[in-house]
Amino acid sequence: EVQLVESGGGLVQAGGSLRLSCAASGFTFNDYWMHWVRQAPGKGLVWVSRIKHDGSSTTYADSVKGRFTISRDNAKNTLYLQMNSLRVEDTAVYYCGKDDYLSRWGQGTLVTVSS
Amino acid sequence: SFELTQPPSVSVSPGQTASITCSGDKLGDKNACWYQQKPGQSPVLVIYENTKRPSGIPERFSGSASGDTASLTISGAQAMDEADYYCQAWDSSTLVFGGGSKLTVL
Repeated sequence: EVQLVESGGGLVQAGGSLRLSCAASGFTFNDYWMHWVRQAPGKGLVWVSRIKHDGSSTTYADSVKGRFTISRDNAKNTLYLQMNSLRVEDTAVYYCGKDDYLSRWGQGTLVTVSS
Repeated sequence: SFELTQPPSVSVSPGQTASITCSGDKLGDKNACWYQQKPGQSPVLVIYENTKRPSGIPERFSGSASGDTASLTISGAQAMDEADYYCQAWDSSTLVFGGGSKLTVL
């Protein structure tokens, strides 16, 4: 069974940093692009970033470019999102998603950025 | 920039057919996907590549796309289908979501 489990969320002050993790199991992790998507409280889905199977290519939404870094460790079947210079508007539940259809999603991890 | 537009809300009576639209420039050429999200839960893929249904998704869910519009149709809507629905498509290397449509079954 495909499982994605996010962790690393929490409360952080504006300007601070957090690193999110997404542990994958039940599929061949290094065969798939992986994504991060976020959802502010009561709002819609917003795509954040994606990374190629081998980590050689990454893409970011304009809103996070230069502040967030996506990476992966295929030996550990784990996806990461390093978030720096956090802003209040980055407050959201962050989901990791499998492949370019987002065929599976994790349960999400809440990031709260306070002013 | 590329945008996807959905109606904020759609209502349907139980057993009737619900249709949710999503509009965007040349969307019919962009292999739209649809996700269902129930309160407090993660999204679930219900349609990909405009018309394809992942395994485990009931047959009452179908998709279509042409021109600037993609549609999600739920035939014989059930109370369990009440949820938020999001369309999604790619624009160059960027993934874009619609704003979401709340489906009410009453």
